[in-house]
Order: sequence, then structure tokens, then C-alpha cells
Amino acid sequence: AQSVTQLDSQVPVFEEAPVELRCNYSSSVSVYLFWYVQYPNQGLQLLLKYLSGSTLVKGINGFEAEFNKSQTSFHLRKPSVHISDTAEYFCAVTSRNRDDKIIFGKGTRLHILP
Amino acid sequence: EAQVTQNPRYLITVTGKKLTVTCSQNMNHEYMSWYRQDPGLGLRQIYYSMNVEVTDKGDVPEGYKVSRKEKRNFPLILESPSPNQTSLYFCASSGDGGAWNTIYFGEGSWLTVV
Repeated sequence: AQSVTQLDSQVPVFEEAPVELRCNYSSSVSVYLFWYVQYPNQGLQLLLKYLSGSTLVKGINGFEAEFNKSQTSFHLRKPSVHISDTAEYFCAVTSRNRDDKIIFGKGTRLHILP
Repeated sequence: EAQVTQNPRYLITVTGKKLTVTCSQNMNHEYMSWYRQDPGLGLRQIYYSMNVEVTDKGDVPEGYKVSRKEKRNFPLILESPSPNQTSLYFCASSGDGGAWNTIYFGEGSWLTVV
């Protein structure tokens, strides 16, 4: 079974400052990892995903994440945030053995301060 | 336009009155799933389906039923709703590979059980 821990429920950051949203996972098997974003009053949409290959993954809207197997982490970063990045961000994991269950973290609310 | 459509978007119902939330996707996706989103708990998977006539329990299936008689539709049925099923529900679909492929979410259905 897998689990996902998002260490911060809320992260305030000033506009144009860098941000890191933390995600750690636990699994007895190899995994695929994802970040999804939920803008206010909308459904979730995929930001980026790690399936294999380079551990640094680039996504939409200038976000990137790095898979660190030894630390079982998949932290999300952006070098300079904009007010439009205000949203809730979810880390998610599914196993490579294709049982098709996906586990989402509890989410991190990103507040952009003017 | 590729989309996942769920109805109703908003519903207030009474305890014990059966209800169905419909979900339809126009992307010919094999994988479909239902989630509920609750404050502080993030997104939790209720049921998923890898293809027609194939459904499996997610993490919180109690009190829910699903069916997958057609590829495009995946209704969520609450046979006897209770107040603890008050939540925001999302339907989602994904192409080949299921949960590790990009998941497309509907806009959500707010359900209140009184």
C-alpha cells in the first residue's frame, strides 16, 4: 500500500518569490508520482508527473519537481510565483504494478501575498 | 471539447433518499473513477473502473455503488445517503494505462445530506 504526506497544509509566499511545496511518499513497490492543481471552484488538473527517466520533471506554468528515491520525496518548486498560482496543490502516487488505485495527499493551499 | 461532465453540480437531499450522480466522458477513456473531497482530508478514491463491466473499490467505498455498462458513463449511486456523505464529489477519467496516465476531472458535484 502507498501513502502520501504533504507536510504543509498552507504556504504563504510573496509574489515573485520562490516556493517549494513538500511531498513525501511511502510505498513497498516502485511508484509513479504526480502533482495536480485545483484552482478555486474548479476540478483538478495535472501539473506534472514522474514516470521514469530524468528525476527532474518540468510541468506547466513554470513548475518543476524532483524525484528523490532515497528520501522518498517529490517536492514541487517554482522560482517566481504569480498571483494566478493561488490554488490548492495535491501530490499523488500510484504503484507501478498497475493496480490503478491512486492515493492523493491532503493538499497544500498556496497563498500568494501581494 | 474533451471533457468530463457530471450532474447535478449542486444537490441538497434528505437522509435515506436514493440519489444518483451521473458522469460522462467524451474522450473514449477506459479508466474512470470517483473521488470525494473533504476539508483536511484531501481527495479520496471511492471506486474506479478499468473498463466496461469492471469496477473496483477505492479507499472509501462504503455507502456507495457504481456501475459501468457503457464506456462513456460511470454513475455514482447513493442508495441511502447519510449526513457523513455530505461532500464535494469528483468524477474523472484517464486513457490507456489508467491511474498513471493523465487524469481528467469533472467540475465537481456539491452534495449536502440533511
